[in-house]
Amino acid sequence: KQEVTQIPAALSVPEGENLVLNCSFTDSAIYNLQWFRQDPGKGLTSLLLIQSSQREQTSGRLNASLDKSSGRSTLYIAASQPGDSATYLCAAPSSNYKLTFGKGTLLTVNP
Amino acid sequence: EAGVTQFPSHSVIEKGQTVTLRCDPISGHDNLYWYRRVMGKEIKFLLHFVKESKQDESGMPNNRFLAERTGGTYSTLKVQPAELEDSGVYFCASSQASVADTQYFGPGTRLTVL
Repeated sequence: KQEVTQIPAALSVPEGENLVLNCSFTDSAIYNLQWFRQDPGKGLTSLLLIQSSQREQTSGRLNASLDKSSGRSTLYIAASQPGDSATYLCAAPSSNYKLTFGKGTLLTVNP
Repeated sequence: EAGVTQFPSHSVIEKGQTVTLRCDPISGHDNLYWYRRVMGKEIKFLLHFVKESKQDESGMPNNRFLAERTGGTYSTLKVQPAELEDSGVYFCASSQASVADTQYFGPGTRLTVL
């Protein structure tokens, strides 16, 4: 059974700082890992999907890495902005389609 | 291209009543998923459709929950009768392929059972 853990649960940083969000998973037999962003009262926005054959995926200021052997993924946010404030969720499939989510990291970027 | 849409955005009902949630997936997406987040917990899988067929409903809490996807287009999730512990946010997602494909989520329906 897949379990996903995200650390830290909350993070507060000043604007402009680079930061790393961590995600660990127990079952390394995954097809991919997906990072989402959730704004208060809103749905989930897909940020990045890393296939199991990839080690990194980049989109703008975001970079996600995947290490299947150690059961870890990181989301790196460069030059953080107040608009980046949100809850960040990682999700790994416990089978090839059912996503298992972590509880998320609540990020606050202070101006 | 329109994203995944859900209706209603909020629903407040009393214990014992019936509520039906609707999800319209992205056009052309054969795979449709329902997830739920209850207060303080992580988002959990409920079930998965491929076109009109249920592929996996292992996450459905009990037989008070009934999901349908007539014609392989939109889906409904009915809760009858609703209980207090059914309160939470119900998310729908869709994907083009099931294996190794991005799931796109709707805005969710916030259900409150009083």
